[in-house]
Amino acid sequence: GNSVTQMEGPVTLSEEAFLTINCTYTATGYPSLFWYVQYPGEGLQLLLKATKADDKGSNKGFEATYRKETTSFHLEKGSVQVSDSAVYFCALSRNAGNMLTFGGGTRLMVKP
Amino acid sequence: GAVVSQHPSRVICKSGTSVKIECRSLDFQATTMFWYRQFPKQSLMLMATSNEGSKATYEQGVEKDKFLINHASLTLSTLTVTSAHPEDSSFYICSADKGGNSYNEQFFGPGTRLTVL
Repeated sequence: GNSVTQMEGPVTLSEEAFLTINCTYTATGYPSLFWYVQYPGEGLQLLLKATKADDKGSNKGFEATYRKETTSFHLEKGSVQVSDSAVYFCALSRNAGNMLTFGGGTRLMVKP
Repeated sequence: GAVVSQHPSRVICKSGTSVKIECRSLDFQATTMFWYRQFPKQSLMLMATSNEGSKATYEQGVEKDKFLINHASLTLSTLTVTSAHPEDSSFYICSADKGGNSYNEQFFGPGTRLTVL
């Protein structure tokens, strides 16, 4: 079956530090890959996505590259801000109308 | 855009009562909607997949008679928690599949926090 594994948190960084949140997946075929962000008390928002190998998704300074050879989709940001503090979920989906499989979530805390 | 709303955003009820949560796709039609449950500091657990005009598909371990799902139209799905108990207190999130695109993307509602006293 499909599964997503991401690094456990919390991850605590100082403002302007470099961020990496690791995500690896197991799936048959070629899934689409996503990063979602959840701010305190809110639902999930799509942060970025990639639909095929070597695609790079990017948004708001965050990036992730679909690496089929390592089955990874690590999230990176060069300089985090306090406002980036949230929980980040890596997810995959096989087909339209199919369920998302989520990783366990990684809480990021950015201190001024 | 692709906006999904949920109502109510927060509800407190007494044990034994039923609570209905609505999930609406505001600017698109969603043939498939999903209901998730999220416990504090944990990931989302898929409860059921809701298809317009047909019965919902429940995940293993989710009680069909306790969590009633109705997907009456292409823009509305409802989750009713029947005879709620304190252990049903949680954050319930819905999502909708826009369909017709190659990204298999789901759009999430803002969530409903249920507290059962």
